[in-house]
Amino acid sequence: DGGITQSPKYLFRKEGQNVTLSCEQNLNHDAMYWYRQDPGQGLRLIYYSQIVNDFQKGDIAEGYSVSREKKESFPLTVTSAQKNPTAFYLCASRYRDTATNEKLFFGSGTQLSVL
Amino acid sequence: AQSVAQPEDQVNVAEGNPLTVKCTYSVSGNPYLFWYVQYPNRGLQFLLKYITGDNLVKGSYGFEAEFNKSQTSFHLKKPSALVSDSALYFCAVLNPGGGADGLTFGKGTHLIIQP
Repeated sequence: DGGITQSPKYLFRKEGQNVTLSCEQNLNHDAMYWYRQDPGQGLRLIYYSQIVNDFQKGDIAEGYSVSREKKESFPLTVTSAQKNPTAFYLCASRYRDTATNEKLFFGSGTQLSVL
Repeated sequence: AQSVAQPEDQVNVAEGNPLTVKCTYSVSGNPYLFWYVQYPNRGLQFLLKYITGDNLVKGSYGFEAEFNKSQTSFHLKKPSALVSDSALYFCAVLNPGGGADGLTFGKGTHLIIQP
């Protein structure tokens, strides 16, 4: 999946627990993204980061937090404030070398379920 | 705000027949348009994109898409479907001049190729 590694593949969360999803890339891309996928709703943007030590909220950031301490890593924490966390989470990084040549590369995803 | 519509939740095609997966978009300015494919429990794989130039774009696995500015459409096509084409297909749009970062995805279309 294009040099992006997500782990774990499956994750279970107990009530009131925070869990962290890992995303690592070796593509040397500056921009990274977290999407949430629910059946019949497509992908929705949670957070994105265009550069180390900087990140921005996406469309559904409530109940989530991120950090970007290294270029290669963009972990996502699903906090206890996220009341409906069950979903498939996808991490992506963005390749852009010119104004007209860019695309996203995706990891293989993490399925999060609530116990 | 930019948006993408995929009007069909599911498309059924017999193997060997041509297939079309529909996509329309709404964005101010000139859009960047993408098609991605997702196999079960996997991340998204890039198929093709339209940035500028020829309205007919050729991509991976024999797929192509036609950009139609007047109809604001970017339908995905393939002349002869294979059973292995069965997957979930996402259309996405990026407004390079817009304020929001990241791609906006449609809800996805399940393509089912029947032997």
